[in-house]
Amino acid sequence: LAKTTQPISMDSYEGQEVNITCSHNNIATNDYITWYQQFPSQGPRFIIQGYKTKVTNEVASLFIPADRKSSTLSLPRVSLSDTAVYYCLVGDNPGNNRKLIWGLGTSLAVNP
Amino acid sequence: EAQVTQNPRYLITVTGKKLTVTCSQNMNHEYMSWYRQDPGLGLRQIYYSMNVEVTDKGDVPEGYKVSRKEKRNFPLILESPSPNQTSLYFCASGSTSTFEQYFGPGTRLTVT
Repeated sequence: LAKTTQPISMDSYEGQEVNITCSHNNIATNDYITWYQQFPSQGPRFIIQGYKTKVTNEVASLFIPADRKSSTLSLPRVSLSDTAVYYCLVGDNPGNNRKLIWGLGTSLAVNP
Repeated sequence: EAQVTQNPRYLITVTGKKLTVTCSQNMNHEYMSWYRQDPGLGLRQIYYSMNVEVTDKGDVPEGYKVSRKEKRNFPLILESPSPNQTSLYFCASGSTSTFEQYFGPGTRLTVT
């Protein structure tokens, strides 16, 4: 299982773009990268998933460089409600093996 | 409404008294999983199931049992709970074509 490393915490202000980078140096060829958001005392919520290059949905973008040893979650124009913990996960074929290591995530604080 | 339900939401029990936390999903998902979350340790996977009658150990399976007799249900059994199993527990489900998981509301367990 590929281990991931993220900053423990980040601070931002409303309206700014926030980029959270995750390092996964031992990522395997079949591994996908997935990001989740968690609010206190709630279950995590899926944000985005990608394999390479760039993926965008209505809430975020995921940038994955060619070597795939890192990935960056980009949150455009954050608001106070984006204050949460963000987790980066790496895992291979979702139909194959779902043993997942979550880590401590990045605690994002958005200030007014 | 698509959802994952867990019961009970809160439970206080004593050491050694067997308990079951139920988890049910209505999305016809093949994959289901149990996690525990503790301060400073993050989210850790206990057991997961890729389909009916198929279960496997996660990161911290000791002291827990699971069963998957029906696709929609994945109960977590603590045969002899101990205080170190005091934690916030989450059940999750997902399809096997994506790493997107849907989490339940959580069960806060206290073992005295």
